[in-house]
Amino acid sequence: EVQLVESGGGLVQPGRSLKLSCLASGFTFSNYGMNWIRQAPGKGLEWVASISSSSSYIYYADTVKGRFTISRDNAKNTLYLQMTSLRSEDTALYYCARPGVAYWGQGTLVTVSS
Amino acid sequence: DVVMTQTPPSLSVAIGQSVSISCKSSQSLVYSDGKTYLHWLLQSPGRSPKRLIYQVSNLGSGVPDRFSGTGSQKDFTLKISRVEAEDLGVYYCAQTTHFPYTFGAGTKLELK
Repeated sequence: EVQLVESGGGLVQPGRSLKLSCLASGFTFSNYGMNWIRQAPGKGLEWVASISSSSSYIYYADTVKGRFTISRDNAKNTLYLQMTSLRSEDTALYYCARPGVAYWGQGTLVTVSS
Repeated sequence: DVVMTQTPPSLSVAIGQSVSISCKSSQSLVYSDGKTYLHWLLQSPGRSPKRLIYQVSNLGSGVPDRFSGTGSQKDFTLKISRVEAEDLGVYYCAQTTHFPYTFGAGTKLELK
């Protein structure tokens, strides 16, 4: 069974940093590109970043480019999102998802507030 | 960016009724490999999104065949035949053909 478990969310002040993790199981993680997608409270879905299976290709939404870094450790079956210079508008539930939005984790909540 | 226009924003239905949701993209969603990466998701209240349909018309694993997807290029439709209580929630179309990936604004399906 495919499982994606996000962690690392929390309350953080504007301008600070936070690193999210997504632990994958139930499939060969190193064979798949991965995505981060977020959902602000009461709002729709917004794609954040994608990374290819070998980290050769990386893409970001313009809203996070230069502030967020997606990475992965295939030996640990883990996807990461390093978030810096956080803003109030980054407040959201952050999901990791497999390609084609096929599988989603339960999400981890990031709240940016002073 | 590809804009996904989803209609209607909400639907009020009775159990057993059939409904359709439309999703139109601002540009063709046909990828260079010939496939169309248009998907339909359901987010039940308090839950993570779940993919129902992938690549326009393919039923996801374990998804009832009451759900069906049609369309091509820029115009897509999700049909739910004989709505059941478990179908309530917000439906999203999503395109993963072009970066940035984009989503429709959602259609909230409620009980009449």
